[in-house]
Amino acid sequence: EAGVAQSPRYKIIEKRQSVAFWCNPISGHATLYWYQQILGQGPKLLIQFQNNGVVDDSQLPKDRFSAERLKGVDSTLKIQPAKLEDSAVYLCASSLGFRPGRTDTQYFGPGTRLTVL
Amino acid sequence: DQQVKQNSPSLSVQEGRISILNCDYTNSMFDYFLWYKKYPAEGPTFLISISSIKDKNEDGRFTVFLNKSAKHLSLHIVPSQPGDSAVYFCAASGSRGIQGAQKLVFGQGTRLTINP
Repeated sequence: EAGVAQSPRYKIIEKRQSVAFWCNPISGHATLYWYQQILGQGPKLLIQFQNNGVVDDSQLPKDRFSAERLKGVDSTLKIQPAKLEDSAVYLCASSLGFRPGRTDTQYFGPGTRLTVL
Repeated sequence: DQQVKQNSPSLSVQEGRISILNCDYTNSMFDYFLWYKKYPAEGPTFLISISSIKDKNEDGRFTVFLNKSAKHLSLHIVPSQPGDSAVYFCAASGSRGIQGAQKLVFGQGTRLTINP
C-alpha cells in the first residue's frame, strides 16, 4: 500500500514570496491533515479536512495561509506571502476517518522542509 | 500553552537495556494517547497508543503506561536496539469536533540514541 506522498521535499524561498505544497493521501482515507513542525518542536495542526470539507482550521494563520482539498483527495497548502518564521517542515497526514469504537490512526508523509531567507 | 510536554530533549541508552521516555500533560479532557517515532527526513510513524480507560498497553518490546492521576505517561522499550534510535513524540487527543474529528496535540519530542 502506497503511503502519503508530498512534494516538493525541500523548498527555499525569500521572504514575501509565495509557495505551495502538495499532498496525496493514502487511497480511501477520508481525513487529511496539514501540520507545521518548527525545529525543536512537535507537529502543530494547521488544518484538518474531512473529505473536501474543513473540520478544523483554528490554528491556521488565515491572513497568509490557505489550503484546499478539491474532490476530497489531493490537497494543497499555500503560503502567501512567506515570513521568516514560516521556516519549518510541513507534514501532511491522512486517516480513514472517525468510526465509533475504533481508533483513527494518522499516517504521515515525509514532509516538505521550507526555508525562508 | 504547552498541553503536552516531554521534558527530556534527549536520552542515551546502552543496547539491550531498557529505554524509558516520559510525557506529561495538563489537559484532563485528553482521553487517548499515542507515541510516534520519527527518523530523519521521514514523517512520524505511529508506534503504540493507549486509551484513558487503561493503564497499560503492550506491543512486543514496547509498553506504554498511563498514570491519569499524575497526568503522566511513559514509553518503555525493552530490550533497546540500535534501530530504535530516533525522535519519539508523545501525542494526546480529547476533542471530538465535527464528525468526531480527532485533534492530536504533540509534545516536543525526545531524541533517543541507542549505543552499541
